[in-house]
Amino acid sequence: SAVISQKPSRDICQRGTSLTIQCQVDSQVTMMFWYRQQPGQSLTLIATANQGSEATYESGFVIDKFPISRPNLTFSTLTVSNMSPEDSSIYLCSVDGTGRGEQFFGPGTRLTVL
Amino acid sequence: AQKVTQAQTEISVVEKEDVTLDCVYETRDTTYYLFWYKQPPSGELVFLIRRNSFDEQNEISGRYSWNFQKSTSSFNFTITASQVVDSAVYFCALSEEYTNAGKSTFGDGTTLTVKP
Repeated sequence: SAVISQKPSRDICQRGTSLTIQCQVDSQVTMMFWYRQQPGQSLTLIATANQGSEATYESGFVIDKFPISRPNLTFSTLTVSNMSPEDSSIYLCSVDGTGRGEQFFGPGTRLTVL
Repeated sequence: AQKVTQAQTEISVVEKEDVTLDCVYETRDTTYYLFWYKQPPSGELVFLIRRNSFDEQNEISGRYSWNFQKSTSSFNFTITASQVVDSAVYFCALSEEYTNAGKSTFGDGTTLTVKP
């Protein structure tokens, strides 16, 4: 299995500011994934983060709003830029920790934008 | 495009009752993964099971069992003798990326409440 940690666990931010969320995995993984879970909603994939290349974004998500870094095989960051109250969500990092389709999720970052 | 439907938004049962959570999926691929996750009130997402499209064998793990039927595109989850600790939101998910199961489409979830 893979153990994933995220920082911060939660934050309350002002409109117009940016927040960077960190995701650390205890083993090297090829791909890391960022999901968003809006209040009372399901999970939606934001982007796939590959080491050494630009992230691949899903429809409806753009790099200017959600820039992602992947400097090595165990770490990634997601920035939520120019935040608005609609960005209030739980942001989750995930990996396929075993390479056999067993997806593991971090504990999530609960973001509230005022 | 892939789609996952969990028609049951909320289910409430009394402890020790059996409960089945339904999941119906749509995909054009012949190779895919199906998953179930549990999200307790704490918010953390817990992986329960993965099933690939070539393996229709049903699986049992303790009080949990899963019924995968390709003919009806369903992957249902049954909890036997439910307990209060089973109260959570349960998500069914589908991945068409055979070697990259992290890119998943999730259903809307079913909120299960088990009353003592």
